[in-house]
Amino acid sequence: DTEVTQTPKHLVMGMTNKKSLKCEQHMGHRAMYWYKQKAKKPPELMFVYSYEKLSINESVPSRFSPECPNSSLLNLHLHALQPEDSALYLCASSQDPSGEQFFGPGTRLTVL
Amino acid sequence: GEDVEQSLFLSVREGDSSVINCTYTDSSSTYLYWYKQEPGAGLQLLTYIFSNMDMKQDQRLTVLLNKKDKHLSLRIADTQTGDSAIYFCAESIPYSNSGYALNFGKGTSLLVTP
Repeated sequence: DTEVTQTPKHLVMGMTNKKSLKCEQHMGHRAMYWYKQKAKKPPELMFVYSYEKLSINESVPSRFSPECPNSSLLNLHLHALQPEDSALYLCASSQDPSGEQFFGPGTRLTVL
Repeated sequence: GEDVEQSLFLSVREGDSSVINCTYTDSSSTYLYWYKQEPGAGLQLLTYIFSNMDMKQDQRLTVLLNKKDKHLSLRIADTQTGDSAIYFCAESIPYSNSGYALNFGKGTSLLVTP
C-alpha cells in the first residue's frame, strides 16, 4: 500500500457542528502532517506528528484539534468552525520527519 | 517563512518543452521538491533533488539546481495536455529541533494547448 487516504472526500458542516477528518497510511511512515489549502494558494502547515507525538502546532485555533491514535492514523477534530475555515484539508506522511512528504487527496470542507 | 518565488502562469503548446522556475530562500535546505496539483486533487510528488546535486533527470522531467543563486527549475520534455496543472516548488527547512517543514511557493499554473 503506497498511498495516503483521507475521508470524507467532501464535508459540509454548520458552525455549531462537531466533525472529524480522518487520514490513514500503511507505508510505515513515522511522521504525519495536516495542511490547509485555500483556493489558488499553496498549502499551509497546521500540525506535525513525529513518532506519534505532536511536534509542530503552527498557531492553529483551538477549534481544530489533532489526534494521532497510532502510527498509521491521523485525525483532525473540528468544532465551532467559522465560514473562513472552508478549505481543502490535506494530510501527508513521510518516512521520518526529514523525508519527502506524500499527500492524500484531501477533504473539501465547507462551513455554512 | 520568507517567500519562495515562482512565476504564476505558463502556457506552452503540446509537444514543446516547459520550464518552470523557482527561487527559494534557505541556503541550508537539504531537499527541494516539485509537486503537481490537478484541479480538485491533492499534491502529487513529482520529483526532488538533494542539495548536493546540480541536476536530476527522471524520464521527461529534468531538475536543475543552482545553489549559489538559490534557483531551481523543472523542465518537462514533450509536454502533454495531461501535464496541465499547478506546479509547486517547495524547500525543506529545519523547524526548531522537531524536524522539517515544507515552505511552498505560490504555484505555477501550466496550461498546455493542442
